[in-house]
Amino acid sequence: ETGVTQSPTHLIKTRGQQVTLRCSSQSGHNTVSWYQQALGQGPQFIFQYYREEENGRGNFPPRFSGLQFPNYSSELNVNALELDDSALYLCASSWGDRRDEQFFGPGTRLTVL
Amino acid sequence: DQQVKQNSPSLSVQEGRISILNCDYTNSMFDYFLWYKKYPAEGPTFLISISSIKDKNEDGRFTVFLNKSAKHLSLHIVPSQPGDSAVYFCAAAYTGTASKLTFGTGTRLQVTL
Repeated sequence: ETGVTQSPTHLIKTRGQQVTLRCSSQSGHNTVSWYQQALGQGPQFIFQYYREEENGRGNFPPRFSGLQFPNYSSELNVNALELDDSALYLCASSWGDRRDEQFFGPGTRLTVL
Repeated sequence: DQQVKQNSPSLSVQEGRISILNCDYTNSMFDYFLWYKKYPAEGPTFLISISSIKDKNEDGRFTVFLNKSAKHLSLHIVPSQPGDSAVYFCAAAYTGTASKLTFGTGTRLQVTL
């Protein structure tokens, strides 16, 4: 059984560019949630995907978008990058709405210059 | 608007002693609370949770206490071990929001020999 994996590990982009981050959920999990963790802050909920549909969204603008594939892996896309988008992006997978059974990946560190 | 607060950014405790990590929340709709532990370069790992119908939950060396009237919860680790050194996040959720978690800013625990 493999855990949650994320790619890439690190990424550097410039302001205005677009980025795609990827997450492979743990085997058997059908729900993926994405979080943004800025330096010195706790993770902030971006959105969640359940069986390929968006199932809840936090206070993030529409330039943050996502996708979940039939194999339950997921992508986070961010358009028109801003300096404040620099953060650690975490994805977490679970089976349905299991709040205490979310397994987090190691994250993707995005730096926007 | 920080709905979940961890007012102590860091805590240092001697090995074998009790570690007490605190968390306050403002949203009275929260009915489920979790603690996560995070090591560097890893994603958060679920530690222990408590539902608002309880005031205490134990799991081995870890106990979480919930005081609903004060909107306060605490995590007790007894006895503390050097491997407990990590950043601890308090998180909260409420029924109907899927597994969206609202995290605090974290407390860095250092257990010294």
